[in-house]
Amino acid sequence: EVELVESGGGLVQPGGSLRLSCEGAGFIFRNYDMNWVRQAPGKGLEWVAAINTGSNYIYYADSVRGRFTISRDNSKKTLYLQMNSLRAEDTAIYYCAKEPGYINGWEPFDVWGQGTMVTVSS
Amino acid sequence: DIQMTQSPSSLSASVGDRVTITCRASQGITNSLAWYQQKPGRAPKFLLSAASRLERGVPSRFSGSGLGTDYTLTISSLQPEDFATYYCQQYYSEPPTFGQGTKVEIK
Repeated sequence: EVELVESGGGLVQPGGSLRLSCEGAGFIFRNYDMNWVRQAPGKGLEWVAAINTGSNYIYYADSVRGRFTISRDNSKKTLYLQMNSLRAEDTAIYYCAKEPGYINGWEPFDVWGQGTMVTVSS
Repeated sequence: DIQMTQSPSSLSASVGDRVTITCRASQGITNSLAWYQQKPGRAPKFLLSAASRLERGVPSRFSGSGLGTDYTLTISSLQPEDFATYYCQQYYSEPPTFGQGTKVEIK
């Protein structure tokens, strides 16, 4: 079964840092582009960042560019999100999401993790 | 950025009803549109891609259509397990963007 499992969420003070991890199982992790998507409490979905298979194409939402860093370790089948200079508005459930790999270029998200909650508060 | 606008924001319907949700893009997205279903406390579930391609395992009562800027998700006969929030998403260009969601509630 294809599965994504996030970890690393928690409570952090404004200005603090946190690193999220997402481990993939049941598929060849290195062959698929990966993303982070977040959802603030009671709100809709917001794409955060994307990384291609070889880590040579990386994209960020304007709201996190310069503060967040997406990376991956294909040998460990793991996706990361390093979050620095955290703000209250970064409070959300963070989901990792896999792309189906049908085409080159942007794709939808066919598999999602269960999410990890990040709360930024003093 | 491409703005995605869903309507309605919420609706009440009964089991067996036909339900249609609309998603409008701020510019043409050439069918690069996906739909997701999300239930409370759960991750989104991928339903359709390319505006009308049903994903494996998704019931055939779900269908999608549209072109250009206007797209629809239709549930032909609403079932109890379909009460959820539905999101559209364009993947035509970066950044990928979502509609604000449509909550389907029990009448």
